[in-house]
This record gives sequence, C-alpha cells and structure tokens, in this order.
Amino acid sequence: DARVTQTPRHKVTEMGQEVTMRCQPILGHNTVFWYRQTMMQGLELLAYFRNRAPLDDSGMPKDRFSAEMPDATLATLKIQPSEPRDSAVYFCASGNSGAADTQYFGPGTRLTVL
Amino acid sequence: GEDVEQSLFLSVREGDSSVINCTYTDSSSTYLYWYKQEPGAGLQLLTYIFSNMDMKQDQRLTVLLNKKDKHLSLRIADTQTGDSAIYFCAESKSSGTYKYIFGTGTRLKVLA
Repeated sequence: DARVTQTPRHKVTEMGQEVTMRCQPILGHNTVFWYRQTMMQGLELLAYFRNRAPLDDSGMPKDRFSAEMPDATLATLKIQPSEPRDSAVYFCASGNSGAADTQYFGPGTRLTVL
Repeated sequence: GEDVEQSLFLSVREGDSSVINCTYTDSSSTYLYWYKQEPGAGLQLLTYIFSNMDMKQDQRLTVLLNKKDKHLSLRIADTQTGDSAIYFCAESKSSGTYKYIFGTGTRLKVLA
C-alpha cells in the first residue's frame, strides 16, 4: 500500500529554533508539494518540485522557509528561525504529472511554536 | 479571482443522501477533485472528474459537473457515520503547472 510518509508527526518548539520536516513521496512519483493548513487560511501551497527541481515557491516566506529535495525519496521543509505564527499542520503531497494531476497527501506534521 | 467556494456545514441523517456543492472560477480547469479529511489526518483523494465529463459514479459516490455554471457536486448515497469529515473540492490550474486551488471545505456531520 504505497503512501506518502512524513516525520515528525508532531513537533513543539520554541520561537527562534530551527524546524525541519521530512517527507518521503510515493515511489515513482515525480512531483512533490508542500502545503500548510490553518483554521484561518485553509490550505496554502508553499512550494512544489518536479523531478526534484523547484518549480514554484512563491507561497513560501523566503526569509525563513526553505524547501529542498536532496534525492527522489526525500523532500525537506525547513523553518529558521521559527515564529509562533508558523504554527500549523504542514502536509506533503506527491503525484505524477500526466496521471490526471492527482495528488496524494501524507498525514501531516503538526507544528506548534511557543 | 481564483476562489473555489463551498458551504461550511452540512448535517444529514444516517442512511440519507448527502450532497456537497462547490463552485469554481477557472472555466479552463482540466480536472476537478474531491478530497476527504478526517480529524488529525491528511487529505484522502476520493474521486476526480475530467472537465469534458458531466458525471462520474464510483460506488456510493456520484460527481456531477456543470461546466456552464462552474458547479461541481458530490453526492454520497446511504451516508454512514464514518462519512463524517471535511470534504474539499479542488480544481487544477489550467496553465499546466499542476497546481490546485482548494475550496474552504464542507464539514459533513452524520447523525445516527
């Protein structure tokens, strides 16, 4: 049963600390997305990659957020320094371009910044 | 604008049909999707429809698409308590960028 995995599932940290979230996309998928979900803003697309190359990161605050794909099996989202307003659930999704553009979501990382 | 709109809440009795509605703005969207999110979980892809179709059925789920009115609906037959969740519709961007615009989500509550 192929699925997207994310670690950690929960993270509590203090303001100013660095946070790294990891995602393993479904094997064979060539597109990876990072979303943020909050009650106020709903689902926001932060960044996405195709074949490991960043295609769009316009949704991401550039001064503190960075997203990378060191290899095809790992995507990372880093926040440095973290702020209380970053508290949210961060989802990774993967898909294959051309396969009806379907995206499959991971379980999310719930981040709380104190 | 790029809004995808949904009503916030829907309450139905177990065994009844549920109909969740969505209006979108991009008439050139190629695909439209329905996702389900249970508490504490990610979004689960339920079904999708290609824009040149007007209906798609998948077991208890029926998707209707009215391109003229830019209206999408999801009908769940014989609704069960396990169907209680938030349902999101989404449209794919027409530019080939593979980006979605998500609706605000409809919280479905199924009463026993």
